[in-house]
Amino acid sequence: DVKVTQSSRYLVKRTGEKVFLECVQDMDHENMFWYRQDPGLGLRLIYFSYDVKMKEKGDIPEGYSVSREKKERFSLILESASTNQTSMYLCASSLGPAGPSYEQYFGPGTRLTVT
Amino acid sequence: GQQLNQSPQSMFIQEGEDVSMNCTSSSIFNTWLWYKQDPGEGPVLLIALYKAGELTSNGRLTAQFGITRKDSFLNISASIPSDVGIYFCAGRRSNDYKLSFGAGTTVTVRA
Repeated sequence: DVKVTQSSRYLVKRTGEKVFLECVQDMDHENMFWYRQDPGLGLRLIYFSYDVKMKEKGDIPEGYSVSREKKERFSLILESASTNQTSMYLCASSLGPAGPSYEQYFGPGTRLTVT
Repeated sequence: GQQLNQSPQSMFIQEGEDVSMNCTSSSIFNTWLWYKQDPGEGPVLLIALYKAGELTSNGRLTAQFGITRKDSFLNISASIPSDVGIYFCAGRRSNDYKLSFGAGTTVTVRA
């Protein structure tokens, strides 16, 4: 079974803090994704990575950066947290570029509150 | 990314009922996926579809890839209380790593 884990289930941070969200997958997947989920807005893609050290912006990259130094780990960084970044953050991974390989498997999510 | 049109937004269903939800797009997709998300958890993949017209079942769940490749349907038969949750459709266009997601259908079961 694919396992995607996220470093924290709940996180409370103050405005202006630098925040790191970590995601690890154990299935040697090529692709990894970070989404945020807000009521009424669904899942929105922040960044994704299709290889180590490679990254591409998603639909809402502003205020975020990412790092992928190892294949199994994909980090989301909030350089200076703001209250409008309070959200549920979901990490996902997929195998690679063909057919069933595009199936994305999600972690349990991190509920981030910025006060 | 493009959002898919998913309907209904929410439904209250009687235990034992069959229910349907669908997802439509103005673009052609090569892959349709259906996920379920329980409160406070991440989405879990239920069914994946790869060919137009394909009909696939997973227990009491059945999903179909529309023949126009612009829509997909999910049916739940004989609903039970643990079917409560949010169901998302997702689609992938050709040569794209990314998925587009529907806004979700919230299912609540009346016992």
